[in-house]
Amino acid sequence: DSGVTQTPKHLITATGQRVTLRCSPRSGDLSVYWYQQSLDQGLQFLIQYYNGEERAKGNILERFSAQQFPDLHSELNLSSLELGDSALYFCASSVVSAETQYFGPGTRLLVL
Amino acid sequence: GDSVTQMEGPVTLSEEAFLTINCTYTATGYPSLFWYVQYPGEGLQLLLKATKADDKGSNKGFEATYRKETTSFHLEKGSVQVSDSAVYFCALITVSGGYQKVTFGTGTKLQVIP
Repeated sequence: DSGVTQTPKHLITATGQRVTLRCSPRSGDLSVYWYQQSLDQGLQFLIQYYNGEERAKGNILERFSAQQFPDLHSELNLSSLELGDSALYFCASSVVSAETQYFGPGTRLLVL
Repeated sequence: GDSVTQMEGPVTLSEEAFLTINCTYTATGYPSLFWYVQYPGEGLQLLLKATKADDKGSNKGFEATYRKETTSFHLEKGSVQVSDSAVYFCALITVSGGYQKVTFGTGTKLQVIP
């Protein structure tokens, strides 16, 4: 158990809908990262927050957004969902930037 | 831009065989290098890391040495077990202007047969 929790574990929704994925980092970790893992594109870094502020941006679509709250938990919002958004979404946390990341168990999203 | 190249899988080995999974990188600045492992149905776990040239990371019998001259961070294990069957990801992190960039390789699936 990495200490990073993600909810929900599974999510099934329809195209065009909007969903919110939640992540609670390990106690004391200030950085939160979001990743998308799909069969055809592998593991893609989406975005990083550090102590409430955006720190780095990867291959995140404009339809996706994220935020980190004062209690350091983070949410990833996915809107206007498409079939291709079906993937495993991982959250990771670290104490500070550029340090070892601890991954959560992931949220499996299926868009029908 | 930064990139990580891993050998294509799957890699299939018999138990107790020697393992090498190649990883090479391109990066600006001085990256930290990592190997993560993903067991079936689970998230990624840190396996080992190295933060500067010539550092050797090691854990659970796995080793990798940060080679700046060849921009490589190959993962090795002397004798694999069935329980090592998983997907292995090489990754790097660079920091520039206070901003961090994370780059993962595509992953290499390892299958160890008894």
